Amino acid sequence: DAGITQSPRHKVTETGTPVTLRCHQTENHRYMYWYRQDPGHGLRLIHYSYGVKDTDKGEVSDGYSVSRSKTEDFLLTLESATSSQTSVYFCAAAERGGETQYFGPGTRLLVL
Amino acid sequence: GQNIDQPTEMTATEGAIVQINCTYQTSGFNGLFWYQQHAGEAPTFLSYNVLDGLEEKGRFSSFLSRSKGYSYLLLKELQMKDSASYLCAFHAGNNRKLIWGLGTSLAVNP
Repeated sequence: DAGITQSPRHKVTETGTPVTLRCHQTENHRYMYWYRQDPGHGLRLIHYSYGVKDTDKGEVSDGYSVSRSKTEDFLLTLESATSSQTSVYFCAAAERGGETQYFGPGTRLLVL
Repeated sequence: GQNIDQPTEMTATEGAIVQINCTYQTSGFNGLFWYQQHAGEAPTFLSYNVLDGLEEKGRFSSFLSRSKGYSYLLLKELQMKDSASYLCAFHAGNNRKLIWGLGTSLAVNP
């Protein structure tokens, strides 16, 4: 599905450190998304991108920033990780003109 | 405002039929999605309904009523591998964002 990979797949870090998660897609999809998924909250949108260097905030963007310098890569940065950011992070991509989102395998992040 | 609701948990028996309901409220609506998510894995796309009616895709069918703000996912001939969470989401507006339900956890028992 959309050839989406995420790295790293698992990460343990300490409170206060910066963390960058990478999403890479090979299908030239225009739209890309970062979600977090937590029990009881479902999928929540952090940031999304509608093209190179075009990004916008989602519903839970505080403490996160993103960058998209190439169509295929969408980076999510936790500027100073906190324990509340322990979660599973999913990247998704959707093609131009299409609404269907295809998901990467996810990154499990633990902030100690 | 926008909201979406689906049951938290359901249980069914192998070989049976189960219907998972989803209701939504929104001022703008383009279509409704169903995704399947196995434990520890990413969501995978099942169906997308734009028009009213039933769409069948193998053992899975999805129904939409735009006037009632209602959709359901119908799973026939249940198999153990169908044990998963089923997420409904709707697309409203032109910003390509989806509004997600919390998911229905389906347990299929022998």
